[in-house]
Amino acid sequence: DTEVTQTPKHLVMGMTNKKSLKCEQHMGHRAMYWYKQKAKKPPELMFVYSYEKLSINESVPSRFSPECPNSSLLNLHLHALQPEDSALYLCASSRYRAETQYFGPGTRLLVL
Amino acid sequence: GENVEQHPSTLSVQEGDSAVIKCTYSDSASNYFPWYKQELGKRPQLIIDIRSNVGEKKDQRIAVTLNKTAKHFSLHITETQPEDSAVYFCAASILGNRDDKIIFGKGTRLHILP
Repeated sequence: DTEVTQTPKHLVMGMTNKKSLKCEQHMGHRAMYWYKQKAKKPPELMFVYSYEKLSINESVPSRFSPECPNSSLLNLHLHALQPEDSALYLCASSRYRAETQYFGPGTRLLVL
Repeated sequence: GENVEQHPSTLSVQEGDSAVIKCTYSDSASNYFPWYKQELGKRPQLIIDIRSNVGEKKDQRIAVTLNKTAKHFSLHITETQPEDSAVYFCAASILGNRDDKIIFGKGTRLHILP
């Protein structure tokens, strides 16, 4: 398996909802990432999980929380989001941190 | 920290002509430079990468050059085709550094004109 998979592909949620995005890879990669991408902008790093350690971009609000159940899965829990959080959320993985990243297809999120 | 500048932000070329996208980086320790292509509504996909021990790398119509002294690297696409229309992102990182991350440029929107 040489792909990163993400579910769901699309998500519409209200500001009071709680939802989760899922990301999975079976390439044996040791690093996984969550990015947020707004239209016509580069991906912005939110979280990195590597070497059993979670690194957080300090600018990411606490309404986003990552969870790594095992080395192949990286979930992103969403709670009380705002309309400006609407974006494409991309998961990626790499063999080791800072090496070539392979992106999943993304989850397009709309917050109403 | 590392900063990656990418130019131009938009580029239109006639089909069959060549396209060049340039990036500069600030951290002289950076040693790995991937290029990603992102088509509308799709994920970024790696198209070519280069490590700092190499000055040039080619893969069919795509080539990347690296000038370590000047701290810049460029993507060259020859004989452009309609399917080359996309946003291209350059990036820089330090391989082997556990705490480092890939820094992306702001992207270049490439339009191939018929």
